[in-house]
Amino acid sequence: GAVVSQHPSRVICKSGTSVKIECRSLDFQATTMFWYRQFPKQSLMLMATSNEGSKATYEQGVEKDKFLINHASLTLSTLTVTSAHPEDSSFYICSAHKSGTDTQYFGPGTRLTVL
Amino acid sequence: AQTVTQSQPEMSVQEAETVTLSCTYDTSESDYYLFWYKQPPSRQMILVIRQEAYKQQNATENRFSVNFQKAAKSFSLKISDSQLGDAAMYFCAYRPAGSGGSNYKLTFGKGTLLTVNP
Repeated sequence: GAVVSQHPSRVICKSGTSVKIECRSLDFQATTMFWYRQFPKQSLMLMATSNEGSKATYEQGVEKDKFLINHASLTLSTLTVTSAHPEDSSFYICSAHKSGTDTQYFGPGTRLTVL
Repeated sequence: AQTVTQSQPEMSVQEAETVTLSCTYDTSESDYYLFWYKQPPSRQMILVIRQEAYKQQNATENRFSVNFQKAAKSFSLKISDSQLGDAAMYFCAYRPAGSGGSNYKLTFGKGTLLTVNP
């Protein structure tokens, strides 16, 4: 199989606080992981490409200082939303590219609500 | 830049019937991969089927099959014997065939919401 987990599945935080979301590939190695944001009834919007052992590559318009990405191992990438505001409320999805294949596998997503 | 177009925002099908979801894409690459992902109400993205552009044979996975027309840049998904559990948002996705980092990026279409009527 190819299972990707995300933690937490739901988080509610106060405006101004930081929130960390973890993405793990449970049964495979992933040198590359991706972070997406999805608004209701819309497609996935790629935020950044997370590369193991190097800096993440951010898509145009995504603030790298606000969305901190760390990919310290072949099975774990983290997304930290710093100084969160209500407009950051969204559904965040990660995916992991299974090394040696041509396919990405997705985590179940994290619902972030900023009050 | 590559683009993926799903021209049907919504589709519906009767249970046990067949439905086809369309997808077109634009690329200047000669080798690439195409995917259909399903996103049910749980919002978990599930890989349905994948196609390698250099393979002329259409991919098939049980009740799911594709009609890949490379010259027309078309990649439609056929669902046979539709089941209630097939109800979901379906996304078509493209990525180039190269390896490493940004080559693994997927370009998604806007999705087609499939309703299955009992």
